[in-house]
Amino acid sequence: GAVVSQHPSWVICKSGTSVKIECRSLDFQATTMFWYRQFPKQSLMLMATSNEGSKATYEQGVEKDKFLINHASLTLSTLTVTSAHPEDSSFYICSARDTDRGLDGYTFGSGTRLTVV
Amino acid sequence: GQNIDQPTEMTATEGAIVQINCTYQTSGFNGLFWYQQHAGEAPTFLSYNVLDGLEEKGRFSSFLSRSKGYSYLLLKELQMKDSASYLCAVSGLGGYNKLIFGAGTRLAVHP
Repeated sequence: GAVVSQHPSWVICKSGTSVKIECRSLDFQATTMFWYRQFPKQSLMLMATSNEGSKATYEQGVEKDKFLINHASLTLSTLTVTSAHPEDSSFYICSARDTDRGLDGYTFGSGTRLTVV
Repeated sequence: GQNIDQPTEMTATEGAIVQINCTYQTSGFNGLFWYQQHAGEAPTFLSYNVLDGLEEKGRFSSFLSRSKGYSYLLLKELQMKDSASYLCAVSGLGGYNKLIFGAGTRLAVHP
């Protein structure tokens, strides 16, 4: 079945530094990937849609200069949290859509727990 | 805007049946998903409905009525391990078939 690998699983960084999170589709090509953020006891909030070869589409209220998304190939999308602050501490999850599987072909990565100290 | 509503919390007894409802009002629709999520983990796919009716998969069933913007997830023979959050999500939003989640329902199963 479709597999999405997300790294790192967890990361602790100092306030003001940047952190990069990778999301790879291992056995299928994903022209579209989605990035979500989840705060404790809350649901997944869509941050942006990542499209191979073009600029990401950000949801309302998400700072595109702070959350940089790059989708340079059909199997890799990266999310970089720039100048991280403690309020950016959250669980970040990517999802890739395998269009060969039809309308239900969404596969999630295992998530990245980011803690900014 | 998009609205996907589900109860915040539910409790149930081991061995019982529980129904978690979800109502939605969205600008597009390509299907409704149910996911299970344990704390600190990624969501796990449970079901997908795109046509009206009931989809049954073992102890889990999901129902959809597109005209009413309504779905439910039915869990039978509840087990302690079913204690988790259950997320309702709608796809087909925006040009890229975005998947948007409801707030989730935290289910606690007790002996």
